[in-house]
Amino acid sequence: QKEVEQDPGPLSVPEGAIVSLNCTYSNSAFQYFMWYRQYSRKGPELLMYTYSSGNKEDGRFTAQVDKSSKYISLFIRDSQPSDSATYLCAMSGHNQGGKLIFGQGTELSVKP
Amino acid sequence: SQTIHQWPATLVQPVGSPLSLECTVEGTSNPNLYWYRQAAGRGLQLLFYSVGIGQISSEVPQNLSASRPQDRQFILSSKKLLLSDSGFYLCAWSPKGETQYFGPGTRLLVL
Repeated sequence: QKEVEQDPGPLSVPEGAIVSLNCTYSNSAFQYFMWYRQYSRKGPELLMYTYSSGNKEDGRFTAQVDKSSKYISLFIRDSQPSDSATYLCAMSGHNQGGKLIFGQGTELSVKP
Repeated sequence: SQTIHQWPATLVQPVGSPLSLECTVEGTSNPNLYWYRQAAGRGLQLLFYSVGIGQISSEVPQNLSASRPQDRQFILSSKKLLLSDSGFYLCAWSPKGETQYFGPGTRLLVL
């Protein structure tokens, strides 16, 4: 079993839809949770960073962490064609030595 | 603000040739530095990381090596490339914290 599981998709939605991207994990020591957005042939870009449980909102993006269920989510409201990219979840804890554990990434396509 | 550079952006090399990819970070000091490879399946594989000058940790035994000759410079090398070394190579830095920031990447094709 992988430490972090992420549905690879691809996920295709119409413009304006609400998108839900999810990751599950097995290591209860993880405390830091990130979402990266990666456009084709580009490096990943840090989108959201959350510490421990709870919600964090930034514009159309909301990150949720449920440590009791070992489950994190990224919601995109009013999705746009420019949101078409691969989304990677990543997480870490104090015992990871500065390393991040990444999901496989979910490929999202928003159709106009 | 901090900036991370990688070069070259694209590289086509014959099997058996040497490799040198360079990564530099500006606007910070004593960062953690990382080399990743991303294959076509999108997953990120950590190859090497460094917490300081001359300090390199290898994650996966392979045909590659890394060096950190200066605080903000990280180099990925190979003496003889294999076909399986093809991929998208990403350098990242971290301010000793929990997040990492990635460079633009180098696309390597070994023929």
